[in-house]
Amino acid sequence: GQQLNQSPQSMFIQEGEDVSMNCTSSSIFNTWLWYKQDPGEGPVLLIALYKAGELTSNGRLTAQFGITRKDSFLNISASIPSDVGIYFCAGRGAQKLVFGQGTRLTINP
Amino acid sequence: SQTIHQWPATLVQPVGSPLSLECTVEGTSNPNLYWYRQAAGRGLQLLFYSVGIGQISSEVPQNLSASRPQDRQFILSSKKLLLSDSGFYLCAWTSDSGNTIYFGEGSWLTVV
Repeated sequence: GQQLNQSPQSMFIQEGEDVSMNCTSSSIFNTWLWYKQDPGEGPVLLIALYKAGELTSNGRLTAQFGITRKDSFLNISASIPSDVGIYFCAGRGAQKLVFGQGTRLTINP
Repeated sequence: SQTIHQWPATLVQPVGSPLSLECTVEGTSNPNLYWYRQAAGRGLQLLFYSVGIGQISSEVPQNLSASRPQDRQFILSSKKLLLSDSGFYLCAWTSDSGNTIYFGEGSWLTVV
């Protein structure tokens, strides 16, 4: 079945640094989604991408739908303490939505 | 606007006891509904999904079951809980197109 490889699994950065994470797949996807999950809460949608090559921003967050339709990245600029959490990518192809394993972001003040 | 709500938020149950987690969606009709489980600090595992009333698909064999008695209601159940059933359970919904999925607040289940 379709699988996503999300990396890195965890990140430890200083406040103010930029963050970059990505997801890749051997399958083609028609939709890429990025979510953030705070401890003890459900994932919240950050950015949705529906077209290959699409670059979308949401405040300090920027995500791109790879031109090959097999990858996507999420960047966070000038990280702040509230960016801490787990970030998930999700891709939808011919089959059901598939989730990456998450990137745990820790920020040192 | 559409909202999704699940309860209870936290549950501590003894081994062998029954379970019922409930999820409702408001502001939409004919949603596709999902139950996911998330082990501590890990990814999301799809347990069940439903495309309509009474229609349930199971993704993995397990000790749990799901039911959809009404269009916007999705219930996760167990007759006898196991220790391995502990985890964070998330209800979610998508529209017919299924392009974007929205999650509930989550329910923490601890089986002791």
